[in-house]
Amino acid sequence: DSGVTQTPKHLITATGQRVTLRCSPRSGDLSVYWYQQSLDQGLQFLIHYYNGEERAKGNILERFSAQQFPDLHSELNLSSLELGDSALYFCASSVPGREQYFGPGTRLTVT
Amino acid sequence: GNSVTQMEGPVTLSEEAFLTINCTYTATGYPSLFWYVQYPGEGLQLLLKATKADDKGSNKGFEATYRKETTSFHLEKGSVQVSDSAVYFCAQVGYQGGKLIFGQGTELSVKP
Repeated sequence: DSGVTQTPKHLITATGQRVTLRCSPRSGDLSVYWYQQSLDQGLQFLIHYYNGEERAKGNILERFSAQQFPDLHSELNLSSLELGDSALYFCASSVPGREQYFGPGTRLTVT
Repeated sequence: GNSVTQMEGPVTLSEEAFLTINCTYTATGYPSLFWYVQYPGEGLQLLLKATKADDKGSNKGFEATYRKETTSFHLEKGSVQVSDSAVYFCAQVGYQGGKLIFGQGTELSVKP
């Protein structure tokens, strides 16, 4: 158990809908990262938050947004969903400059 | 830009065989290097890491040495078990931290 929790574990929704994925980092970790894992793209970095502030953006679509709250949990919002958004979404947490620990992931299926 | 390249899978071995999964990287500066493992239906687990040249990371019988001269971080294990069947990812992160850059993953299947 990495200490990083993600909910829900599975999510099935229809095209055009909006969903929210939640992540709670390990105790003491101020950084939260979001990654997308798909068969065609592999593991891709989406976005990094540090202590409530956005630090870096990767290949994140404009339909996607994220935030980190004062209690350090983070949410990834995916809107106007398309079939191609079906993937595993992972969050990871770390202390600055150290290794990242991953949550179990949320499997999103868009039908 | 920075990248990580892994040998293609799947790799199929018999139990107790020797394992090597090749990983090379391109980077500006001196990244930290990692191997993560993903068991079926699970998230990524950190397997081992190395933060500077000539460091050897090791865990659960797996080893990898950070080779700056060949920009490599090959994963090895002397005797694999069926329970090692998983997908293995090589990754790097810049010296200032930040996003992980992953290789494409190598699926390992160990047969009894």
